[in-house]
Formats: sequence, C-alpha cells, structure tokens
Amino acid sequence: AQSVTQPDIHITVSEGASLELRCNYSYGATPYLFWYVQSPGQGLQLLLKYFSGDTLVQGIKGFEAEFKRSQSSFNLRKPSVHWSDAAEYFCARSQGNLIFGKGTKLSVKP
Amino acid sequence: GAGVSQSPSNKVTEKGKDVELRCDPISGHTALYWYRQSLGQGLEFLIYFQGNSAPDKSGLPSDRFSAERTGGSVSTLTIQRTQQEDSAVYLCASSLVRGAVDEQFFGPGTRLTVL
Repeated sequence: AQSVTQPDIHITVSEGASLELRCNYSYGATPYLFWYVQSPGQGLQLLLKYFSGDTLVQGIKGFEAEFKRSQSSFNLRKPSVHWSDAAEYFCARSQGNLIFGKGTKLSVKP
Repeated sequence: GAGVSQSPSNKVTEKGKDVELRCDPISGHTALYWYRQSLGQGLEFLIYFQGNSAPDKSGLPSDRFSAERTGGSVSTLTIQRTQQEDSAVYLCASSLVRGAVDEQFFGPGTRLTVL
C-alpha cells in the first residue's frame, strides 16, 4: 500500500536558521506529492505540490521542496526560518484522496 | 471568496449518542472529502464524494459512520452510537474535481469529544 513517512516527530530550530523537513514515500511510479502546514487551531494550508517536471518546486511563504526519485524523498526546505513558521507540517501523496505522513511539529527558538 | 466551512467547530457528546457534522464546500467544487485527525492515528481519509457518483466509503472505520451529500453541495457526516475512540478533529476538504493532481482546500475542522 502507498505510504508516506515523516521520520522526525518534532524539530526545533533557531529563528533565522535553515530548515529541512524530511519526507519519504513508498510505492508508485509517479507520485503526486504535497506539503501542507497546520498552524495551531487552523485548518491545513497547501505549501507546495509536485506532479512532474522540474524536481525543485517553489511554494508559498518562502518554502521549497525537492523531489528525488532515487531516494524516494520529497524534503521541504526553507533558508531562513521565521517565528511565524512554528506549526505542524504534513507531507502527503495523492491517489485522489490524500495519504498523509504523521506530521512534523516545528518549534522556533528566538 | 468563501472557503470550506464546517459546523459546529466544537462538539461534546456522551458515549452512545449520535452526532452530525456539517461541511459546506467551496462553491463549484464537485469533489468533497472527509478526513479524521486524531493523536494516535494522524490524518486519515474517511470518505469522498464526486458529483453524482457513488461515494468512496473505503476509509470509514465502522458501520457507525455514514455520510451524505445533498444536491452536490453540503455534506453531513453522521456518527451513530459514539464511542470514546471517535474523539478527534473531523476535517472536510473540497476540490474542483477529483483527481490526484487537484488541490484540496480544507475547512477548519470540527473537534469532537466523546465523554
């Protein structure tokens, strides 16, 4: 069965530092991959998505993600984290409905 | 324009009672999804509707769960004889069409607590 793995449950970074959140997927020829963010008490907001083409995709709020087929990964990155980025981040793949990873909670130190 | 709305935002009920959760999708969106977010299980797909087609119920955890979508718009998720393990946030999402590439827009969720 298709699955998505986010190995890190909780990550803490200092404000201004770079960020990388890991995501691995299993099974499937051409995965359709997404990153969503959920701020406390809020719904899920789409950050970016990958379907095909350029493996480096740009999203909102300064985020980017790189699709690496050889590593079955779709890691999310941001060069400089802001305190407002503190939230929970979900990687997902689509088969019509979304299959989500367990999420990574990001804390930002001042 | 208006996003996906859900009501109520919070629902507290007693074990054994029935509950109904409502979702208003974005106008014009033909696909509608229900997901459940719980501490133990993360985000799980429950059911989806696409236009007038039969719904995909493959994610419903038991026959106590059902959903309907009237007039291709508003949807109601019903949980009968609620159990404590049903406590979770129930999220609704809609998309223009149902397809692997189509972005789903999520509502704020309904937090269900079963005492």
